[in-house]
Amino acid sequence: AQKITQTQPGMFVQEKEAVTLDCTYDTSDPSYGLFWYKQPSSGEMIFLIYQGSYDQQNATEGRYSLNFQKARKSANLVISASQLGDSAMYFCAMREGGYGGSQGNLIFGKGTKLSVKP
Amino acid sequence: NAGVTQTPKFRVLKTGQSMTLLCAQDMNHEYMYWYRQDPGMGLRLIHYSVGEGTTAKGEVPDGYNVSRLKKQNFLLGLESAAPSQTSVYFCASSQTWSNQPQHFGDGTRLSIL
Repeated sequence: AQKITQTQPGMFVQEKEAVTLDCTYDTSDPSYGLFWYKQPSSGEMIFLIYQGSYDQQNATEGRYSLNFQKARKSANLVISASQLGDSAMYFCAMREGGYGGSQGNLIFGKGTKLSVKP
Repeated sequence: NAGVTQTPKFRVLKTGQSMTLLCAQDMNHEYMYWYRQDPGMGLRLIHYSVGEGTTAKGEVPDGYNVSRLKKQNFLLGLESAAPSQTSVYFCASSQTWSNQPQHFGDGTRLSIL
């Protein structure tokens, strides 16, 4: 079974509108972390935001926020006020285990391609 | 501050040839990783290292070997390249704490003919 599922292969959003990219995960480990990365067409992987399983509040970083619903095992990325430069692939990833309990391995979803329309 | 540097950026090999991809990081990170990215597959872990002199297998290790003789370097080797190894290879590094993100290099695009 997939540990990270991104059900939207591609999405379109109008410039200046908000968009939500879905991510669901599967783990039995009580300690885990969820990450979102952006991969523009130039190919590099850019870290966007992190959410820990014990964090009480949803993570935010500028225009990025993470809608973390632990009971539903979902960690959706919300991008507010979309910009043309947001057009890219977006990957959700999970790291199981806390400090000393994991090798830091990330398990990636297959990604969502976001296209921002002017 | 270079971060994670991968060399080369592009390479074309013939089936059966060997080569080594080099990854260097200047952030004093303990953990280092090699991934491959194929269309529609996301990133898959090949091998990783939790410190100098240590290596371990990831999800797709067959056909690859790695070495971590120095903390800052992590080498990925293909002993006998096969067309199925045509991919984009990413190296990453991170600190040991679970909330720290992995920092990625810019990738190596490898084609095996």
